[in-house]
Amino acid sequence: DTEVTQTPKHLVMGMTNKKSLKCEQHMGHRAMYWYKQKAKKPPELMFVYSYEKLSINESVPSRFSPECPNSSLLNLHLHALQPEDSALYLCASSQITGARYEQYFGPGTRLTVT
Amino acid sequence: GIQVEQSPPDLILQEGANSTLRCNFSDSVNNLQWFHQNPWGQLINLFYIPSGTKQNGRLSATTVATERYSLLYISSSQTTDSGVYFCAVHTGTASKLTFGTGTRLQVTL
Repeated sequence: DTEVTQTPKHLVMGMTNKKSLKCEQHMGHRAMYWYKQKAKKPPELMFVYSYEKLSINESVPSRFSPECPNSSLLNLHLHALQPEDSALYLCASSQITGARYEQYFGPGTRLTVT
Repeated sequence: GIQVEQSPPDLILQEGANSTLRCNFSDSVNNLQWFHQNPWGQLINLFYIPSGTKQNGRLSATTVATERYSLLYISSSQTTDSGVYFCAVHTGTASKLTFGTGTRLQVTL
């Protein structure tokens, strides 16, 4: 099974709201990722968790707060977002050890900030 | 950082035609993946191909790491092949995946 699930599929939120995106995988992967994709652009890396610890933060604004409660779950907490944060948010996972680091992606959450 | 360029940026094909998509990268890479992003946004893994040639049905891919490019071949295209094709490279830290600029493919009847 190479499935990564994400909820919700769609989210509309106001600039003063607090919401969370959720991601889950059951492939035993120990690395999990958040990407942001704007329309007609490639995905851009936001955060990487390795063994449930934050290992890469690509200078993402603090209004995005990631959390990795356990090896299967990844959350992205959103607070005081701006309209320009509207995008497709993709979660991915991969192995860490060994030579194969193939990343598998979830279906994404399409976020609109009003 | 590494630059990953894909060509052509846009491609329109009639159903049944063949095509070749190219991915050039500016530095050495550890590994390379090809993805198809469908119209709903899902990124589908096509190939994990650090070097050599692989085939999967109507699709095949070749990576020549020493010359810093990879090719994706689509034969007998179908309307369901429409979408955006991305290559993405793993560099330095294996966790870091950098995506190419993408090729938007439309297959018409």
